[in-house]
Amino acid sequence: GAGVSQSPSNKVTEKGKDVELRCDPISGHTALYWYRQSLGQGLEFLIYFQGNSAPDKSGLPSDRFSAERTGGSVSTLTIQRTQQEDSAVYLCASSLGLGEETQYFGPGTRLLVL
Amino acid sequence: GESVGLHLPTLSVQEGDNSIINCAYSNSASDYFIWYKQESGKGPQFIIDIRSNMDKRQGQRVTVLLNKTVKHLSLQIAATQPGDSAVYFCAENIKGNNRKLIWGLGTSLAVNP
Repeated sequence: GAGVSQSPSNKVTEKGKDVELRCDPISGHTALYWYRQSLGQGLEFLIYFQGNSAPDKSGLPSDRFSAERTGGSVSTLTIQRTQQEDSAVYLCASSLGLGEETQYFGPGTRLLVL
Repeated sequence: GESVGLHLPTLSVQEGDNSIINCAYSNSASDYFIWYKQESGKGPQFIIDIRSNMDKRQGQRVTVLLNKTVKHLSLQIAATQPGDSAVYFCAENIKGNNRKLIWGLGTSLAVNP
C-alpha cells in the first residue's frame, strides 16, 4: 500500500499557540518514530513507539512536546505553547519492528513559528 | 553580510564519475548502519544497509564499506547521475539501543552535468 503519510505538509503558527502533527504509518508496521530536522541539520530523535510497549520519550526536548499513538497505528505529535525555536521539519518514520530496523519516512511537516 | 548557520559538507562530482561519501561513526557497540538519501523537500529514503559482521555490501550502483577498526563507513555511487544530487546521511544503531538510529550531519552531493 501507500507509504508513510504526514499532515499537514506545512504549518505556520504564532508563538504561543498549540499545534498537532499527524502521522499515518505503513500498514502493519509496529514501530513508529518521530524526528525533528532543523535547516541544514541531521535528524534529531524525539520519540519511539513499539507495539503496545511504553513509548521511549527520551528525545523530547521539553514537556511542551508530547505524542500519542492510538490503536497502534496513527500517531499525533503535539507541541504546546510553540516557540520560534520549534520551527523545523518534523519527520515520522515507521518500521516493521521486532528487529527490523529499516525505517521508512514520510515527507515531513514543515512547521514555522512566527 | 555574513552567513550564519551550519553548512553541510559538500561533494561536487561530474556526471558519470564515481562518488564516495564518507562517515565516521561514534560507538564501537553499533551493530547496524544505514545510508539514507534526502532530496530537497522530501523525507529521507533508504538506500542500503550493512551489519557489523560484514565489511562490504553492494546494491544497484551503490556499495557500502564498513571499517570497524577505525569506525568508518563509506558509500560509493557508481556512474553518478544528476538524480543522485541530494543530501546523504549515515545512521548507526547501537546494539540494544531500542532501534533508535543515531544520525550523522549529512553530506550534500552535487552532480554537475
